[in-house]
Amino acid sequence: DAKTTQPPSMDCAEGRAANLPCNHSTISGNEYVYWYRQIHSQGPQYIIHGLKNNETNEMASLIITEDRKSSTLILPHATLRDTAVYYCIVRVEYTGNQFYFGTGTSLTVIP
Amino acid sequence: GAGVSQSPSNKVTEKGKDVELRCDPISGHTALYWYRQSLGQGLEFLIYFQGNSAPDKSGLPSDRFSAERTGGSVSTLTIQRTQQEDSAVYLCASSLYRRTDTQYFGPGTRLTVL
Repeated sequence: DAKTTQPPSMDCAEGRAANLPCNHSTISGNEYVYWYRQIHSQGPQYIIHGLKNNETNEMASLIITEDRKSSTLILPHATLRDTAVYYCIVRVEYTGNQFYFGTGTSLTVIP
Repeated sequence: GAGVSQSPSNKVTEKGKDVELRCDPISGHTALYWYRQSLGQGLEFLIYFQGNSAPDKSGLPSDRFSAERTGGSVSTLTIQRTQQEDSAVYLCASSLYRRTDTQYFGPGTRLTVL
């Protein structure tokens, strides 16, 4: 599975959009981009995933560049409860492989 | 619907004792994964089940660790002769696999070995 690079930490003002970047320049054509988050002392929570088209659900939007070498997770209106570590993972589906959680981005939402 | 559940939520044990950690996956999910997370660290893959078989045991740190899954549902992770370095949060995840490969995680079991 391709390696991802994320900034170690970010701050965001409450109510503003949080834009979390991820670089995955070695991604291959059959690898999906997944985002999870982990709030302190809880298990990781699935947020969203996509292959090449932008995706949106009730939690967030995922914007993938046309060359698929990077992506951005957007939390449209960040709340204090969105403070967590966010992990960007690229993975081939249906291989039974583990998810490789790197160090992620620690997002702090500031009141 | 019900998510992945794990028990116990916390376990404190003495060095050298055996412990069993339980995972109840989401009903109907065929794939089950065990990870562990040491304090301040990332997730470390331990083992993966597809049905009752474990095609990938590569992450088990030593032969003191074993896992089984019965009836394609509940899984038990057993650690024999626990050591202090086994202290961590043990996380279980499951996925439907055939329709979606997304893994859904349980709340974890926090194991402390004194």
